[in-house]
Amino acid sequence: ILNVEQSPQSLHVQEGDSTNFTCSFPSSNFYALHWYRWETAKSPEALFVMTLNGDEKKKGRISATLNTKEGYSYLYIKGSQPEDSATYLCAHANAGGTSYGKLTFGQGTILTVHP
Amino acid sequence: DAGVTQSPTHLIKTRGQQVTLRCSPKSGHDTVSWYQQALGQGPQFIFQYYEEEERQRGNFPDRFSGHQFPNYSSELNVNALLLGDSALYLCASSRTSNQPQHFGDGTRLSIL
Repeated sequence: ILNVEQSPQSLHVQEGDSTNFTCSFPSSNFYALHWYRWETAKSPEALFVMTLNGDEKKKGRISATLNTKEGYSYLYIKGSQPEDSATYLCAHANAGGTSYGKLTFGQGTILTVHP
Repeated sequence: DAGVTQSPTHLIKTRGQQVTLRCSPKSGHDTVSWYQQALGQGPQFIFQYYEEEERQRGNFPDRFSGHQFPNYSSELNVNALLLGDSALYLCASSRTSNQPQHFGDGTRLSIL
């Protein structure tokens, strides 16, 4: 993996369903993996910053896991609600050198939760 | 506590013109990053400023330049505008470069 890739591109679920998406990133020179939620007509909102292999983070019904050795992160939403509808972006930060602090974003997963 | 503010919200320019976009970071933040988001893509990193200097730069031509002021606010300048520069330009600030970034609402730039 040379770039940050997210799958699926879009997802439609019913209210109450649980869902998950994937973010794949280069596993070499890993520093951090960010997750953001971007609702229409708003600015992206930070959900998690994850740095350690095996890290798990939780915020309400949303949680994320990180595998830096194989280069992937999962975002889970339990009991989806219509207000969870948004684009979910992951971003990868490299370690060291001139790329320190530079975020490379995936193209996002668009989630639509139907009432 | 004001978050990240960007101005203007919308801008229409013609090819060949120059544009300046402005960003005020969240209070307490010293690092400002700029991103370009084209339709259907994730934000693309343009550059990052810290202590009034460009610290990181993405794969953007020299037509894209910036500045950070002593109060940490920042400007993005684009010269010789092309149709392909039409995009949403996002500014993000953080306390240091490895903390979650707080985004503004963006400036929608349209080139005719």
